Amino acid sequence: EVQLVESGGGLVQPGRSLRLSCAASGLNFDDYAMHWVRQAPGKGLEWVSGISWNSGGMGYADSVKGRFTISRDNAKNSLYLQMNSLRPEDTAVYFCAKSKLQYSGFEEYNWFDSWGQGTLVTVSS
Amino acid sequence: DIQMTQSPSSLSASVGDRVTITCRASQSISRYLNWYQQKPGKAPNLLIYVASTLQSGVPSRFSGSGSGTDFTLTISSLQPEDFATYYCQQSYNTPPTFGPGTKVDVK
Repeated sequence: EVQLVESGGGLVQPGRSLRLSCAASGLNFDDYAMHWVRQAPGKGLEWVSGISWNSGGMGYADSVKGRFTISRDNAKNSLYLQMNSLRPEDTAVYFCAKSKLQYSGFEEYNWFDSWGQGTLVTVSS
Repeated sequence: DIQMTQSPSSLSASVGDRVTITCRASQSISRYLNWYQQKPGKAPNLLIYVASTLQSGVPSRFSGSGSGTDFTLTISSLQPEDFATYYCQQSYNTPPTFGPGTKVDVK
């Protein structure tokens, strides 16, 4: 059974930094792209960032580009999100999610098939 | 970015009801559409991928359809454990985007 466990959340002042971690088990971690998705209190889901299986490709939402950095350590089965210059609007539960790929002809479909329980980040003075 | 909309934003239903949720994309996304269920305080749970494929372990009362810009999630006979919020998500391009959610609660 796939397990994803986030950690590192907490209360932080605006402008400060925080590093989130996601420990994965029950899967061949280096077979999969991984992502961070967040959810502000009472709001919907927002994709934050994703990283390919070998760290060769990364993507970021415009709202975090230049402030957040995603990384992974396949030897440690771990995913990370370094969050700098935090803003109050970054307050959210941050989920790590594993994506699954399926190829059909020239199509490459993907979806988030496993999620962690989330870690709450609160940015406030 | 591709914008996703859902309707209704909320609905009230009874156990045994047939429930249909609609998702619309701002441009054609072929069948790059996934559905998730989320209960309060929990992580989202994948229900359907590639518009109509049921995720393993998901009850067959859930079904998805559509392609292009218009998609539907149907619950054929609502069960007590189905009261939750449902999100659609496009994976046609980056960034992947989610709909705003449809909350299904007890009538």
